[in-house]
Amino acid sequence: RKEVEQDPGPFNVPEGATVAFNCTYSNSASQSFFWYRQDCRKEPKLLMSVYSSGNEDGRFTAQLNRASQYISLLIRDSKLSDSATYLCVVNMNNFNKFYFGSGTKLNVKP
Amino acid sequence: NAGVTQTPKFRVLKTGQSMTLLCAQDMNHEYMYWYRQDPGMGLRLIHYSVGEGTTAKGEVPDGYNVSRLKKQNFLLGLESAAPSQTSVYFCASSWDRPYGYTFGSGTRLTVV
Repeated sequence: RKEVEQDPGPFNVPEGATVAFNCTYSNSASQSFFWYRQDCRKEPKLLMSVYSSGNEDGRFTAQLNRASQYISLLIRDSKLSDSATYLCVVNMNNFNKFYFGSGTKLNVKP
Repeated sequence: NAGVTQTPKFRVLKTGQSMTLLCAQDMNHEYMYWYRQDPGMGLRLIHYSVGEGTTAKGEVPDGYNVSRLKKQNFLLGLESAAPSQTSVYFCASSWDRPYGYTFGSGTRLTVV
């Protein structure tokens, strides 16, 4: 079983739509959670950390559900520029125990 | 501010050849990492370093060696390349704990 699992998608949504991705993790000892964005043939870039209380950054909202062991990313008012692959990352607060999901692809269409 | 620079960006190797990938960071980060990314597999940690002169194995270290003689540089070596090592290689660095990784732009390696 993979440490971190994501629906690969693609999620095809129109501009202005709201879209949500989930990511499940297998290790209940996981302590730090992140979402990264990766554009085609580019390096991953940190989008946001995920805090226990949930956090928001503009149109993006991240949530953590420890009981069910998943994190989510909600994107409101989707833009064409949001088209990318979104990587879920889970860490056990040990610098070498850092697991990446294989990513969820989002296509925002005009 | 260059951040993390990887060289080369592309390379084609024949089976059995060797090569070294260079990662350089100008942010004075202590931690440096080498990952490989394959379709459907996500990013997998090859080796990492917690400071100058230190290295450690990650999830998929076989067939690779690393060195960190200077704090700003982290080298990844392939001793005898195999087709299974065809991948995109990313270097990353961070201050402390791996939140806020900064990645290099990647090296696309093909082994034929």
